[in-house]
Amino acid sequence: AQSVAQPEDQVNVAEGNPLTVKCTYSVSGNPYLFWYVQYPNRGLQFLLKYITGDNLVKGSYGFEAEFNKSQTSFHLKKPSALVSDSALYFCAVRPWPSGGYNKLIFGAGTRLAVHP
Amino acid sequence: DVKVTQSSRYLVKRTGEKVFLECVQDMDHENMFWYRQDPGLGLRLIYFSYDVKMKEKGDIPEGYSVSREKKERFSLILESASTNQTSMYLCASSPDSSGTYGYTFGSGTRLTVV
Repeated sequence: AQSVAQPEDQVNVAEGNPLTVKCTYSVSGNPYLFWYVQYPNRGLQFLLKYITGDNLVKGSYGFEAEFNKSQTSFHLKKPSALVSDSALYFCAVRPWPSGGYNKLIFGAGTRLAVHP
Repeated sequence: DVKVTQSSRYLVKRTGEKVFLECVQDMDHENMFWYRQDPGLGLRLIYFSYDVKMKEKGDIPEGYSVSREKKERFSLILESASTNQTSMYLCASSPDSSGTYGYTFGSGTRLTVV
């Protein structure tokens, strides 16, 4: 079965330290990969995506992610965390081929807590 | 910017009621989706639509139906609400089926069934 795993329910980081939120996937073909962020009582906001090309992609708010095909991973990173980065982060994968539909498979989410 | 608007932020309904959740997008997107979000389970796809009057079941369609009479509007219907349908419901849209654009989400509707 196709799936996305975010192995950590919560990640705690001190402000100013680097952060990593992990994502691994098990899907067929060459997937498209996405990260979304959700602030309390809000919908999900797009952060970044990998479609093809350079394995390191940069996105909003200073976040970046590295696609690693051999490890089937797409970890989200930021060099220096801010308290305002505290939120719920979702990794999502679109399998390719997808049967003609743009369906995303989401992970369970990782709560990031950045402490002052 | 694309806007996806969900008509209600919070709803409280009684068991057995028929419930309508409305979603409207303003950028002529072809695809629209309904997900429910529950702690520890992430987002699970209920139904999606790739064109007007076209719909496909997602992973958890039981107890739900949808309607897409116009391109901009995608409604989720709980035929007879039950307490296990208490959840956050998220609507999303995407321009087409290419997958290169990802989704734009609405702010969500938190439904409580009592």
